[in-house]
Amino acid sequence: QVQLQESGPGLVKPSETLSLTCTVSGASISRNYWTWIRQAPGKGLEWIGYIYYSGSTNYNPSLKSRVTVSVDTSKNQFSLKMNSVTAADTAVYYCASVDMSQLDFDYWGQGTLVTVSS
Amino acid sequence: QSALTQPASVSGSPGQSITFSCTGTSTDVGGYTYVSWYQQHPGKAPKLMIYAVSHRPSGVSNRFSGSKSGNTASLTISGLQAEDEADYYCSSYTSGNTWVFGGGTKLTVV
Repeated sequence: QVQLQESGPGLVKPSETLSLTCTVSGASISRNYWTWIRQAPGKGLEWIGYIYYSGSTNYNPSLKSRVTVSVDTSKNQFSLKMNSVTAADTAVYYCASVDMSQLDFDYWGQGTLVTVSS
Repeated sequence: QSALTQPASVSGSPGQSITFSCTGTSTDVGGYTYVSWYQQHPGKAPKLMIYAVSHRPSGVSNRFSGSKSGNTASLTISGLQAEDEADYYCSSYTSGNTWVFGGGTKLTVV
């Protein structure tokens, strides 16, 4: 069974960089594409971006200028960095695996709340 | 990319069948069979309920079914149960090699 666990600071100051890591267990990170999705309080889901173990990435056009997703195959982890954050980036951030044959998000982490506030 | 369009809320009684809609464009829902549906209970992570328009993952009740016509995908729940009360989101792969979600539909079982 694939399991994903997000980790990182729960509080980030405005204009600073949000950094989160997703640790994958039960599967090799070289097996799939991996993605980040967020959900602002009381709002819907927003896709952020994906990465393949080779380093290939793509991002939501609305966030592309501020987001970087990277992978560390030695640790079976992938990470999200989002710079110049504002209160609008306050959300629960989920990491998930992408089934590359059906292009759906089949396994999800439990999510981690990141609050942007001074 | 614009979010897919879903009704904000739907309600139904136990035992009824209800259908959610998810409308996109020819560059997402209409152009691919990669439409999926997710169920989210309060405070929980989303759960995959339907993939590739109409396929159920192992362990998902056969009361859940999906379909698509043109730029609109649909999720139907038959024999509505109290435990089905949740938020439901559709998602589609897009021509830009990205994904897009709908705004979500809140299902109330009355």
